[in-house]
Amino acid sequence: DSGVTQTPKHLITATGQRVTLRCSPRSGDLSVYWYQQSLDQGLQFLIQYYNGEERAKGNILERFSAQQFPDLHSELNLSSLELGDSALYFCASSPPDPRDGYTFGSGTRLTVV
Amino acid sequence: GENVEQHPSTLSVQEGDSAVIKCTYSDSASNYFPWYKQELGKRPQLIIDIRSNVGEKKDQRIAVTLNKTAKHFSLHITETQPEDSAVYFCAVTPEGNNRLAFGKGNQVVVIP
Repeated sequence: DSGVTQTPKHLITATGQRVTLRCSPRSGDLSVYWYQQSLDQGLQFLIQYYNGEERAKGNILERFSAQQFPDLHSELNLSSLELGDSALYFCASSPPDPRDGYTFGSGTRLTVV
Repeated sequence: GENVEQHPSTLSVQEGDSAVIKCTYSDSASNYFPWYKQELGKRPQLIIDIRSNVGEKKDQRIAVTLNKTAKHFSLHITETQPEDSAVYFCAVTPEGNNRLAFGKGNQVVVIP
């Protein structure tokens, strides 16, 4: 157990729908990062939050949004889903300095049908 | 942004042989260099890391070497075993940055 909790583990939904993925960071970590990993692809960075504020944005589509709440958990919202959004979505968390521990959760596998 | 490249994209080795995969980066201010291992369908996990004030670090069968002048670092796996088969990601964090920039990954296949 990495200490980073992601729910749900699996999600199957239809095109056009909206889903919310949830991430609880390790105790004490202030930063949360979201990544998308499609089949046989690398880790595509989506967005980072630090202590409730957006800190960095990567290749995140406009249909996707995220937020980090006062208790530091984060949610990634995916809307108007398309078949190509099917992927593993990972959350990672770290202390203020990522060199002190950058840990991934087990991921949410999203299947859009 | 930071440019991180990994070569080769796929590496096949006989069980018991050594495997070496290389990561190059562009930002000379980078000062932290981890390697993550991802088994199929699982989360990436940190296996070894090195900081810029060290040239080599070893942990049992794995080692990482850093060449700051040439801006590359390598992962060495000795006496490979089938359970070493996985995708390996390198990453860097430039000084002043607050997240890791990952390479695209190397698929390592250990042939029994």
